[in-house]
Amino acid sequence: SQQGEEDPQALSIQEGENATMNCSYKTSINNLQWYRQNSGRGLVHLILIRSNEREKHSGRLRVTLDTSKKSSSLLITASRAADTASYFCATAPTSGTYKYIFGTGTRLKVLA
Amino acid sequence: DTGVSQNPRHKITKRGQNVTFRCDPISEHNRLYWYRQTLGQGPEFLTYFQNEAQLEKSRLLSDRFSAERPKGSFSTLEIQRTEQGDSAMYLCASSLTEAFFGQGTRLTVV
Repeated sequence: SQQGEEDPQALSIQEGENATMNCSYKTSINNLQWYRQNSGRGLVHLILIRSNEREKHSGRLRVTLDTSKKSSSLLITASRAADTASYFCATAPTSGTYKYIFGTGTRLKVLA
Repeated sequence: DTGVSQNPRHKITKRGQNVTFRCDPISEHNRLYWYRQTLGQGPEFLTYFQNEAQLEKSRLLSDRFSAERPKGSFSTLEIQRTEQGDSAMYLCASSLTEAFFGQGTRLTVV
């Protein structure tokens, strides 16, 4: 079963605005990763945040992790039309499995 | 290009035929994963290798599916007696810590 659940499922914003996506999960994790996927393409790794970290930045991306709430957020600042894609979180549970577990993703559309 | 490489990128096959996909991971990565993704869904885990050992398989991986990773390098995923429900994007990833994905193989079963 999917562990990560992203919300919203879809988001439409104007170029230059910020986009925030949220991910919730169910069990303890070692780390959480965010990915971008353009239509019909593979997944592009954006950022990894470890369970002992609370916030990470990479360029226009800011990721937060709240392990007490079992949730993470991805903020894209000053969005561009090229940011239009689906965004997924993937969690690495601490035990019981080696796999990364993905949610159903947030479809972001940035309007020029 | 030192990323994860998958071949072929697209495969169209008739129902009942066998297909094989190949994944070449990033060379120093000892962990390799196969996922399947259908339209509008997130990737679903199929199987995991650590070096040459297959350590985890999903219940999604029926007896028609088999994966190998000889010598802990490249990996192959074979689907026997394909069915229309096998149509999907098959994704391979490799990792040390961060998991990097290839471009995927899109399978269409007609």
